[in-house]
Amino acid sequence: DADVTQTPRNRITKTGKRIMLECSQTKGHDRMYWYRQDPGLGLRLIYYSFDVKDINKGEISDGYSVSRQAQAKFSLSLESAIPNQTALYFCATSDRTSGDTDTQYFGPGTRLTVL
Amino acid sequence: RKEVEQDPGPFNVPEGATVAFNCTYSNSASQSFFWYRQDCRKEPKLLMSVYSSGNEDGRFTAQLNRASQYISLLIRDSKLSDSATYLCVGSGGNTDKLIFGTGTRLQVFP
Repeated sequence: DADVTQTPRNRITKTGKRIMLECSQTKGHDRMYWYRQDPGLGLRLIYYSFDVKDINKGEISDGYSVSRQAQAKFSLSLESAIPNQTALYFCATSDRTSGDTDTQYFGPGTRLTVL
Repeated sequence: RKEVEQDPGPFNVPEGATVAFNCTYSNSASQSFFWYRQDCRKEPKLLMSVYSSGNEDGRFTAQLNRASQYISLLIRDSKLSDSATYLCVGSGGNTDKLIFGTGTRLQVFP
């Protein structure tokens, strides 16, 4: 079984709809991240969380919100989706307590299309 | 200027060739550097960490030059399976975040 899972894997929605992307991990890591990837722009950080009570904005948080429901779960919401939020979204985790604090492990991605 | 910059390529090389990618970073406070590999439509996966002393893993060698603020990845004896996008990554100084380059695409042909 995959250590980091994302649901859904693909989603097509319409402008103005509310969308939630979910991420779960079985790695026991304390840190979780949400990125989006666009052609030519690379991976950009949306939000990150270092533990359940710690949520931080990343580079491009406008239009997004997150919830860290438990150490293992980190959800990303688009309250009112717009077409320029069409992208590939990745969740990632890392472990502060290990010797490899900066190494991040990615989920398989969610391809979101907003029409 | 982007914090981490790399040539997008593509680099088209024959099997067996040696190919090198460079990447520059602007944040002199960055402590950790990595190369990630990303296959088409898949998630990035850690290829190797990069240390000042350089490190080697089989056909792959990574080097860090702090004075010039660049890192490199050398792939020897290229295989068809090496075809992918290689992401240069640096830590964001003291912020415990990673900054990703846009990636360099490698295509190995028979």
